[in-house]
Amino acid sequence: DGGITQSPKYLFRKEGQNVTLSCEQNLNHDAMYWYRQDPGQGLRLIYYSQIVNDFQKGDIAEGYSVSREKKESFPLTVTSAQKNPTAFYLCASSIGPGNSPTGTEAFFGQGTRLTVV
Amino acid sequence: GQNIDQPTEMTATEGAIVQINCTYQTSGFNGLFWYQQHAGEAPTFLSYNVLDGLEEKGRFSSFLSRSKGYSYLLLKELQMKDSASYLCAVNYGGATNKLIFGTGTLLAVQP
Repeated sequence: DGGITQSPKYLFRKEGQNVTLSCEQNLNHDAMYWYRQDPGQGLRLIYYSQIVNDFQKGDIAEGYSVSREKKESFPLTVTSAQKNPTAFYLCASSIGPGNSPTGTEAFFGQGTRLTVV
Repeated sequence: GQNIDQPTEMTATEGAIVQINCTYQTSGFNGLFWYQQHAGEAPTFLSYNVLDGLEEKGRFSSFLSRSKGYSYLLLKELQMKDSASYLCAVNYGGATNKLIFGTGTLLAVQP
């Protein structure tokens, strides 16, 4: 079955440590995105990538880093510079720009809940 | 800047009809999406509007007025399983497919 997979589902991190969240998709989508969701707030865009080996900062990129070495994979690293990392992180993918409008819907992974202890 | 507004919470009765409104102000517009999200789970796609008018899909319908920056999601014959957050999102990024999401409307369906 095609889909988008995030792992792990729950992650605990000590303050001062970097941690990497995995996101893999087998939908053959060009575009991938990372969002953060906090209680009472909408999804906020951290980073996005429209094509392999290219990515752009979203609205809240500080304290995060990404890579896009393969089309299928878009890992997110939460660095120690991120002051408030406890949140629900969602990865998404879509066909990408230049395709029919109905193809631009984003498909989401199940999310990773990160807690800093 | 980009902004989307939705009511924070709504309550409705099983079997009834409920309308969830969304207003937006964005620098561009490539379409509006509605997603359903159950607590602790990923959002799932419900509907997409890019032209003015009503799109119907089973019990769910979505309406768009681009001139007013307004959309609504209509849920008919409500079921208990419809209790969830409903997210309105606008694709405003031109060629980049960037989505901005509203904070979501938490719908509680009561017996």
